[in-house]
Order: sequence, then C-alpha cells, then structure tokens
Amino acid sequence: NAGVTQTPKFRVLKTGQSMTLLCAQDMNHEYMYWYRQDPGMGLRLIHYSVGEGTTAKGEVPDGYNVSRLKKQNFLLGLESAAPSQTSVYFCASSRSQGLNTEAFFGQGTRLTVV
Amino acid sequence: AQSVTQLDSHVSVSEGTPVLLRCNYSSSYSPSLFWYVQHPNKGLQLLLKYTSAATLVKGINGFEAEFKKSETSFHLTKPSAHMSDAAEYFCVVSRYQAGTALIFGKGTTLSVSS
Repeated sequence: NAGVTQTPKFRVLKTGQSMTLLCAQDMNHEYMYWYRQDPGMGLRLIHYSVGEGTTAKGEVPDGYNVSRLKKQNFLLGLESAAPSQTSVYFCASSRSQGLNTEAFFGQGTRLTVV
Repeated sequence: AQSVTQLDSHVSVSEGTPVLLRCNYSSSYSPSLFWYVQHPNKGLQLLLKYTSAATLVKGINGFEAEFKKSETSFHLTKPSAHMSDAAEYFCVVSRYQAGTALIFGKGTTLSVSS
C-alpha cells in the first residue's frame, strides 16, 4: 500500500525555470492538498482540490498552479521559479469532508531555486 | 476562523523524563484537533486526533493529549521520553471550510538528551 507518493524527491531549479511536482494517491481519496513547509512557519496550504476536475486556492497560492485531471493525481506547477519558492513541498489526501478525517502525507519534495 | 499557537518553538528534555508540548487553539466551531510528528527528513505521521468522543486522547508511542475547552488547549504529553521521540511536532486544527484542509501550528522541536 503506497499511500501518497510524491515525485521528484529533490530538485534544483534556476530562477525563471518551470517544473511540475506530481502527487499520486492510491486510497481513492476525494480531497487532495499541496502544502509548503518553511523553517519556523509550519505548513501552509498552497492549493487544494475537493474532487476530480476541481481546484481552489489556499493561503499562499501566488506563483503556483494546480490541476486534478484524474482523481488519484494532483499536480503542482511552478511557471517561473523564484528563490522565495525554495521550500519543502508536501502533498496530502483525505477521504472526506468530515472534520474528524485525518490527512495522509507524502514524503515531501525538497526544492531549491538558485 | 481557526488557528493554533504552539507556545514553545523548542523543548529539551532528558531521556526518561516527562514531555509536555503546549498548544492553544482558536475555532469558531467545535474543533477537530490533531498532533502530527515529523522525524528528520521524513514525512508527517499522525500521532493522535481529538474527535469529541473523549477529552483525553491516546495516541501512538505512548503520547496522549487532553482537550480542555475552557482553556482552549490541546497539550501533548508523554510520561517518559525516549531518544527516538526527538522530532518536530505540529499541533493542527481542521479548517471548517475547504474540506478537511488542516491549519498547522509553527511546530515544536523536541530534543532528547541521554
């Protein structure tokens, strides 16, 4: 049971380059999320999706785009990377909208923008 | 609006002594609260969750947390620390809007010395 899988695990980009982070879950979850983690900031929500074909903005969406073309996949795109986007990115998924439902996290993607 | 405040950014204990990680929350609704742990260079693992069934919640690895509505607190405790408990701990509240998107505290780093 793989759970939530993120690719790649590490990446170094030059300023202005673009890239896509892939998140895949095999738990048939409806909800998927992208977070970024920065030292002393905890995790902050970038974008989320409440079902296939839907996306919405979180707390820090600027500079990112997302797509959810298939239920099991949630893609995070950086169109023109900036050093401020150096961070660890976590994808998560959850079963439903119930307040008691926990989220399952991937192992993270460490992105450095130089 | 929901939010959490972790009162200590860093806690140091000796092996075998009690652990206390403090968390206060703010929520307009009856909250769902979680504690997650992140070991170095790893993803996030759920320690325990409060679902209103009981105010004292037991989690994995001997951790527990007590929900105190009057104090708006959800402190994490463990009677006896182990070296393997050294990690970063996040107190989390469920965001009522946006499905089950989670709002993270800024984290508490637990150090355990021998």
